[in-house]
Amino acid sequence: QKEVEQDPGPLSVPEGAIVSLNCTYSNSAFQYFMWYRQYSRKGPELLMYTYSSGNKEDGRFTAQVDKSSKYISLFIRDSQPSDSATYLCAMPQGDSSYKLIFGSGTRLLVRP
Amino acid sequence: DTAVSQTPKYLVTQMGNDKSIKCEQNLGHDTMYWYKQDSKKFLKIMFSYNNKELIINETVPNRFSPKSPDKAHLNLHINSLELGDSAVYFCASSQGTQYKNIQYFGAGTRLSVL
Repeated sequence: QKEVEQDPGPLSVPEGAIVSLNCTYSNSAFQYFMWYRQYSRKGPELLMYTYSSGNKEDGRFTAQVDKSSKYISLFIRDSQPSDSATYLCAMPQGDSSYKLIFGSGTRLLVRP
Repeated sequence: DTAVSQTPKYLVTQMGNDKSIKCEQNLGHDTMYWYKQDSKKFLKIMFSYNNKELIINETVPNRFSPKSPDKAHLNLHINSLELGDSAVYFCASSQGTQYKNIQYFGAGTRLSVL
């Protein structure tokens, strides 16, 4: 079993839709959770990071963590064609670990 | 002004050749990384240096050798290239594990081995 699992998609939605992207993880010691966005032929860029359980909102983006279920989500409201990208979840292997474990990424396409 | 820059962006070469990829960061970070991203977008850590000291050395063929001349630079040399080395290689940097190891990535080097 991989430490972090993510549905590869692709996920195709119409503009304005609410998008839900998800990851599950196996290691209950993970405390910090990140979402990176990667446009085609570009490097990943940090979108959001959260600590422990709960929600964090930033504009149209909301990151949610459910540690009891080992499940994290990224919601995108009022999705735009410019949101079309691959979204990768990531988490440090330990609290002071240099090593990030990445999900395989979900490809999102927002249709105009 | 690019924060993490890699050269070259594209590299097309024959099997058996030796090639190098260079990375530089101007963020003042003390930790740098090399990742390999395969065709399915899976991003896998290869190496990491903290203040020029190797701290992560994943199970990678010893044909791959990283070198960090200073904390702003991390290069990757690959000997005897094989078809399976074709991938996108990303360099990243972070300020240690502060801010929970938020890593900043370069634009990638797309390596094609023919």
